Amino acid sequence: EAQVTQNPRYLITVTGKKLTVTCSQNMNHEYMSWYRQDPGLGLRQIYYSMNVEVTDKGDVPEGYKVSRKEKRNFPLILESPSPNQTSLYFCASSFEPYTGELFFGEGSRLTVL
Amino acid sequence: AQRVTQPEKLLSVFKGAPVELKCNYSYSGSPELFWYVQYSRQRLQLLLRHISRESIKGFTADLNKGETSFHLKKPFAQEEDSAMYYCAPFTSGTYKYIFGTGTRLKVLA
Repeated sequence: EAQVTQNPRYLITVTGKKLTVTCSQNMNHEYMSWYRQDPGLGLRQIYYSMNVEVTDKGDVPEGYKVSRKEKRNFPLILESPSPNQTSLYFCASSFEPYTGELFFGEGSRLTVL
Repeated sequence: AQRVTQPEKLLSVFKGAPVELKCNYSYSGSPELFWYVQYSRQRLQLLLRHISRESIKGFTADLNKGETSFHLKKPFAQEEDSAMYYCAPFTSGTYKYIFGTGTRLKVLA
């Protein structure tokens, strides 16, 4: 089944403890992206990647890192999480973002205490 | 700065009534425009894209370049249309999707 898979789906952590949210797609998509969803703010793009080893900042990249060493994987790294990074995170991928569609993961709910 | 505005956070209509979800954008260049929908307990998914000129589940969206709007419309709302709707312009120059803040549509029986 074609899909985008995120892990973990739920996580509670403490300030400063590094964590990684994984994202994997099995559709051979070149474009991948991370978003956070907060009440009243909608979806905001954190980082995106046009292809392997090509990443760029979205609108809210502060406090996050990403890597794209393989086409299928696009992990989101929080080196030193803070409470303001408590949010619902979505990974998405697309074959061609301009004319195609974004396929979303189910979301990862992160709470930073 | 690029911006997309969905002025209504919540829109409640009765079943069978027409519905219009507003989307206004402020963009340099010519963005491609999409509407995404998130039903309860489901993933975000594409509803329709302007470039395809398609109608999905009875929804259509008209691009008005003069007003820079891309409103989503349906003549007769159904209860299953209750969901969160996001407008999303995309520009190939930046390869960024900027989503609006979303409008929650509630269709009342």
